[in-house]
Amino acid sequence: EAQVTQNPRYLITVTGKKLTVTCSQNMNHEYMSWYRQDPGLGLRQIYYSMNVEVTDKGDVPEGYKVSRKEKRNFPLILESPSPNQTSLYFCASRPPGTGNTGELFFGEGSRLTVL
Amino acid sequence: DAKTTQPNSMESNEEEPVHLPCNHSTISGTDYIHWYRQLPSQGPEYVIHGLTSNVNNRMASLAIAEDRKSSTLILHRATLRDAAVYYCILRDGSTSYGKLTFGQGTILTVHP
Repeated sequence: EAQVTQNPRYLITVTGKKLTVTCSQNMNHEYMSWYRQDPGLGLRQIYYSMNVEVTDKGDVPEGYKVSRKEKRNFPLILESPSPNQTSLYFCASRPPGTGNTGELFFGEGSRLTVL
Repeated sequence: DAKTTQPNSMESNEEEPVHLPCNHSTISGTDYIHWYRQLPSQGPEYVIHGLTSNVNNRMASLAIAEDRKSSTLILHRATLRDAAVYYCILRDGSTSYGKLTFGQGTILTVHP
């Protein structure tokens, strides 16, 4: 089944403890992206990647890192999480050759709580 | 970025058509109109997109005003499964940036 898989789905952690949220897609998509969703603010893009080894900042990149060493995986790294990073995170990917009109496929989300 | 305006909420009865409006008065010539929906406890799901002409697919229809300053997502026969938050989004087709900015969306409630 074609899908975007995120792990963990739920995580409670403490301030300063490094964590990684993994994202994997099995559709051979080149474009991948991370969003966070907060009440009243909608979905905001954190980082995106046009292809392997090509990443760029979105609207709210502060406090996050990403890497894209292989096409299928796009992990989101919080080096030193803070309570303002408590949020619902979504990973998304897009089929190749569709440019900015292409459909985005989203994962089911990762709910992160930083105490 | 051009913005969209949607009603906060709408209600419908099952089996009836639903028309979800979206205003985008500052749309540019290269902006595509996209609609996504988000069911409870799930990630957003693509519904439909268009540029100038009306579009139909298996999920919905998209009616775009002639001046492109507004559009309407049409669900022809609402089901309980269509209860979700519907987002109208503009995407700039002239860049490779790929940003997709979601607004607040419209909460659709479908009554049995």
